[in-house]
Amino acid sequence: DAMVIQNPRYQVTQFGKPVTLSCSQTLNHNVMYWYQQKSSQAPKLLFHYYDKDFNNEADTPDNFQSRRPNTSFCFLDIRSPGLGDAAMYLCATSRGRMNTEAFFGQGTRLTVV
Amino acid sequence: AQKITQTQPGMFVQEKEAVTLDCTYDTSDPSYGLFWYKQPSSGEMIFLIYQGSYDQQNATEGRYSLNFQKARKSANLVISASQLGDSAMYFCAMRIGGGGADGLTFGKGTHLIIQP
Repeated sequence: DAMVIQNPRYQVTQFGKPVTLSCSQTLNHNVMYWYQQKSSQAPKLLFHYYDKDFNNEADTPDNFQSRRPNTSFCFLDIRSPGLGDAAMYLCATSRGRMNTEAFFGQGTRLTVV
Repeated sequence: AQKITQTQPGMFVQEKEAVTLDCTYDTSDPSYGLFWYKQPSSGEMIFLIYQGSYDQQNATEGRYSLNFQKARKSANLVISASQLGDSAMYFCAMRIGGGGADGLTFGKGTHLIIQP
C-alpha cells in the first residue's frame, strides 16, 4: 500500500494561473518535505515542515508556498507558475532523526503552458 | 555548505556483473548521514541504503553495500550481481547533523543501464 501519496500524478496549468499540488501520508511522520526536480537534475529541497513548524530554504522563490493543515496532509501552492517551474515535484516524509530515511511519493509532473 | 559529487553521468554494465557507483561528499559537520536512492523512470525515489558518519562498519542491504571511506569522503554504492531491473537513476544524498529533520542534499545522479 502506498504510504506517501501525491495527487495528481500529472498536472497541466496555464502560465500565471495558481496551482496546488497535494501530498498525504499514512506513516504519521513528523516531517514532510517538498522537492523540485527538473529534467535530468537532482531533486532540490524547497521547504519542509517539522510538525507545524515551517522551514523555508533560503533560495526558494516567494512564488512557492506550502500549507500543512494536519499531520497527514501537505500542500504546495505555486501562486503564478512560470515556464521555468515545469518540473517533477516530489513530496517526502521522515521521522526527523538523522539515521532515518525519507519516504517519497511518486511525484507530480507539472507542465506549464 | 554540504555538497555531493557523482562523477559518472551514465554507466553501461552487463547483467550479473557487479557495479560500483561513485559518490564523494564535502561537509565540515562531523555528524552526517549518507543515503543512496534509486529512481526508476516512473519517478518515485526508492531508498536503498544508509551509512552514518560514526558507523564503524560498511552498511549492507541485500545486494547493496556501501563502501564508506571517511578519510577520502567517499561513499560508493556497490551492487552485486546486477539485474535488468536495476536499470535506473541512482542518487547519492547527505543529511548533516542537528535534529535530523533537515532535508537531503542530492548529487546529480548516475544513469545505470544493465544490458542483457
